[in-house]
Amino acid sequence: DIQMTQSPSSLSASVGDRLTITCRASHNIARYLNWYQQRPGKAPNLLIHAASTLQSGVPSRFSGSGSGTDFTLTISSLQPEDSASYFCQQSNSIPWTFGQGTKVEIK
Amino acid sequence: EVQLLESGGGFVQPGGSLRLSCAASGFTFSRYAMSWVRQAPGKGLEWVSSINNDGSSTYYADSVKVRFTISRDNSRNTLYLQMDSLRAEDTALYYCAKDPVGTMVVGYFDPWGQGTLVTVSS
Repeated sequence: DIQMTQSPSSLSASVGDRLTITCRASHNIARYLNWYQQRPGKAPNLLIHAASTLQSGVPSRFSGSGSGTDFTLTISSLQPEDSASYFCQQSNSIPWTFGQGTKVEIK
Repeated sequence: EVQLLESGGGFVQPGGSLRLSCAASGFTFSRYAMSWVRQAPGKGLEWVSSINNDGSSTYYADSVKVRFTISRDNSRNTLYLQMDSLRAEDTALYYCAKDPVGTMVVGYFDPWGQGTLVTVSS
């Protein structure tokens, strides 16, 4: 199975800050990497697929990059509604696996 | 608007069974692969199972293989998850999710339903 490791596990930042979350895969997954946002008490929501393709309706302050084993999710200017947990997920091979999540809090 | 509505969760003793349902609307259900993903309380996400558009191909996580069965009824626009031999570690919120691409399982999920809670305890 491909293991997905996110860092950090949690962070606290201010509105307007630039934020980067890292995801590392245990094997080469090319660009089969997806990012989800999960607000408290809600279902996950797909933000980015194929490492850098923004889903329709997702604000442009979100961006993704990377390939192979190392990937990043960047929020260019943190907004209050971005307070949530973020999960990476590989879709290179079954079983599809998720990172453990990064909890983002607003100071 | 795509809507996915899960039901069938509840409290069950270890070794028991439950059948989850996911009623889909707002899209042509028979044209899309579907999946189940679960989340234990306060924990991360775990993919459980996926099925292609016509039900001819199914996929399972090792943790549920043999015990769980995914199926679909395209005439009823409904996805199912039959869960047998349930264990305490199966306790989780179970989400139904649509494949965003089409007929084949591609391994990512959009959108998700709101989930149905399964609690396995004696």
